[in-house]
Amino acid sequence: SYVLTQPPSVSVAPGKTAIITCGGNNIGSKSVHWYQQKPGQAPVLVIYLDSDRPSGIPERFSGSNSGNTATLTITRVEAGDEAGYFCQVWESSSDHRGVFGGGTKLTVL
Amino acid sequence: EVQLVESGGGLVRPGGSLRLSCAASGFTFSAYTMTWVRQAPGRGLEWVSSIGTSWTYIYYADSVKGRFTISRDNAKNSLYLQMNNLRADDTALYYCARGPGTGYYDHWGQGILVTVSS
Repeated sequence: SYVLTQPPSVSVAPGKTAIITCGGNNIGSKSVHWYQQKPGQAPVLVIYLDSDRPSGIPERFSGSNSGNTATLTITRVEAGDEAGYFCQVWESSSDHRGVFGGGTKLTVL
Repeated sequence: EVQLVESGGGLVRPGGSLRLSCAASGFTFSAYTMTWVRQAPGRGLEWVSSIGTSWTYIYYADSVKGRFTISRDNAKNSLYLQMNNLRADDTALYYCARGPGTGYYDHWGQGILVTVSS
């Protein structure tokens, strides 16, 4: 089964850049999507199809995907960005199912 | 405004059954794939099941296959999840989510809690 690996935690100072990775076998051949989840709230889509941003998501959020690693980058980090972030793909090569990474807790110092 | 509202959760004994519902509004329900995603307490997100627009496809996670059944009623703008033979590890917040196909989920409900315990 396909596995997505994320670091459990990332810490960054306000105003700096946060980089959250999502590793998977040849993930560059798949479309990767990212969700932000704040405590007690439902997830929110922040990046879809590797690098597209839904309306209402700040340009500070960007994504890339190549080889075995997809990346979510948040520039000029704000206190309000503190949340859990999950990557996700749709696996259809051997089975049809959604796959989420384990999630990364972003802490703003 | 897109709205997804789950209902039907609660406390159930192991081996029991529950039927979750998701009422959709603010968009053309029949045009979207719908999905259930769950989150155990303090854990990450787990994809559960997806159903295509006109039941064109139905997929399940291995952990629920044979026990859960997803369905939809496009006339009632509603999504359902029939959960049978529930186990303690099915305890989670269950989210209903909308997606343009099987790829991603652009709107989520607030979730409904299912607790399986004796």
